[in-house]
Amino acid sequence: SQQGEEDPQALSIQEGENATMNCSYKTSINNLQWYRQNSGRGLVHLILIRSNEREKHSGRLRVTLDTSKKSSSLLITASRAADTASYFCATDVGNRDDKIIFGKGTRLHILP
Amino acid sequence: SAVISQKPSRDICQRGTSLTIQCQVDSQVTMMFWYRQQPGQSLTLIATANQGSEATYESGFVIDKFPISRPNLTFSTLTVSNMSPEDSSIYLCSVELRAGGGYGYTFGSGTRLTVV
Repeated sequence: SQQGEEDPQALSIQEGENATMNCSYKTSINNLQWYRQNSGRGLVHLILIRSNEREKHSGRLRVTLDTSKKSSSLLITASRAADTASYFCATDVGNRDDKIIFGKGTRLHILP
Repeated sequence: SAVISQKPSRDICQRGTSLTIQCQVDSQVTMMFWYRQQPGQSLTLIATANQGSEATYESGFVIDKFPISRPNLTFSTLTVSNMSPEDSSIYLCSVELRAGGGYGYTFGSGTRLTVV
């Protein structure tokens, strides 16, 4: 069953602009993760934010988590052509520590 | 973090045949995970493979269709059996980034399967 839902489904922005993607989920979580997938290849783990954290940074990435709204956002600042990819959020399943559920993803396209 | 080598990267197969996908990890890991990503869709967990025991399959996936081997702590295979065009997907293996869980996962580069 779907847990995370990304929004928007697709996003096109000019190189240098900031890109913001959102993820909403339904049940309580221990952590939320963001992944990048280039051209249908393997996923790359970007960042994990725990339920007791509100914001996390990694390079040009900024992730926020609002557990009261059951939502998270991924901000990519100063976008580059290489950021063109699909971005997925994933949440753990409450009673299992080995399973995560992925959202449908946001396809980000950086225009030159 | 662990590095995964997955192969083949892609294949085109005839319906009714089987394909075995391999994942080799550069370190010992307890659990390996197999996912399917249908065209334009998200990832769905097929099964979790522990060394020395049978894989645990998620709802909608059965061992006869997706037999899994886990002969040691660094290797696993997923076989897609008796393939039909509906099996055309990307298949990915995954392991935890760090032992103990709660740190995220790393993925193989995926196997793009087309069944004709």
